[in-house]
Amino acid sequence: ETGVTQTPRHLVMGMTNKKSLKCEQHLGHNAMYWYKQSAKKPLELMFVYSLEERVENNSVPSRFSPECPNSSHLFLHLHTLQPEDSALYLCASSQRTGQILINPEAFFGQGTRLTVV
Amino acid sequence: QKEVEQNSGPLSVPEGAIASLNCTYSDRVSQSFFWYRQYSGKSPELIMSIYSNGDKEDGRFTAQLNKASQYVSLLIRDSQPSDSATYLCAVTNYGGSQGNLIFGKGTKLSVKP
Repeated sequence: ETGVTQTPRHLVMGMTNKKSLKCEQHLGHNAMYWYKQSAKKPLELMFVYSLEERVENNSVPSRFSPECPNSSHLFLHLHTLQPEDSALYLCASSQRTGQILINPEAFFGQGTRLTVV
Repeated sequence: QKEVEQNSGPLSVPEGAIASLNCTYSDRVSQSFFWYRQYSGKSPELIMSIYSNGDKEDGRFTAQLNKASQYVSLLIRDSQPSDSATYLCAVTNYGGSQGNLIFGKGTKLSVKP
C-alpha cells in the first residue's frame, strides 16, 4: 500500500464537463508531481510543486489546471478536455533535497484512469 | 529532443533464465539513470539507480551503465513469473536547479513458468 492516494481511480467525462482529480500524500514529503501516462507513450511530467509553489509546468495545455493548497494535497482540475487527453494520470511525492527539484525516488499513487468521450 | 529509447517487447524468457533489458538515451549530459517496474494496472516503482559507469548489483538485479555508448541495461537473474511487468528506463540531467526526468516507453517482460 503506497502513502500516496489518488481519487477517483476511474473517471469518464464528456468534453464539456469539469472534473477534478485529487491526490493526498501521507509521507511528509515537500514536493508533489502530476504525470501523464498514455498508451504507447512515455510517462510525461506535467507539473511540479515544491513547498506548495508550482515550480515546473511542462508545456501543459491550460485545460489542465493544478492546485496545491498544502503540502499534503494536490489537485488537477480538468475542463473542456479532448479525447486525446484520455490517459492514466499519476500523482507522485518526494522529499526535495538541496537543488534537486525532481527526485526520481518519488512515490507514485495508483493513478486515475481518465477517459474523455 | 531528448529521448530515451527502449524496445517495447514483449520480451519473453523462461523461468530461471536471465532477462536483459536495454535502454539508450540521446542527451549526452544525462547524469543519473533509473529503472522502474510497473505491474499491470499499478503505479511505477523505482527498483534501481545508477550514476557512474560500470555495474551495480542489488540482489537478482544488475544495472549496467556505459556513458560513452549512451547505454544502460538491467539484468534480472533467475527470472521469476513475479518479475513479469513493464520496466521503464528513465534518465535525468540535474543541470541548474531543475533538470527533468525523461522516461522511455517501457519494455514488457513476460517470464514463463
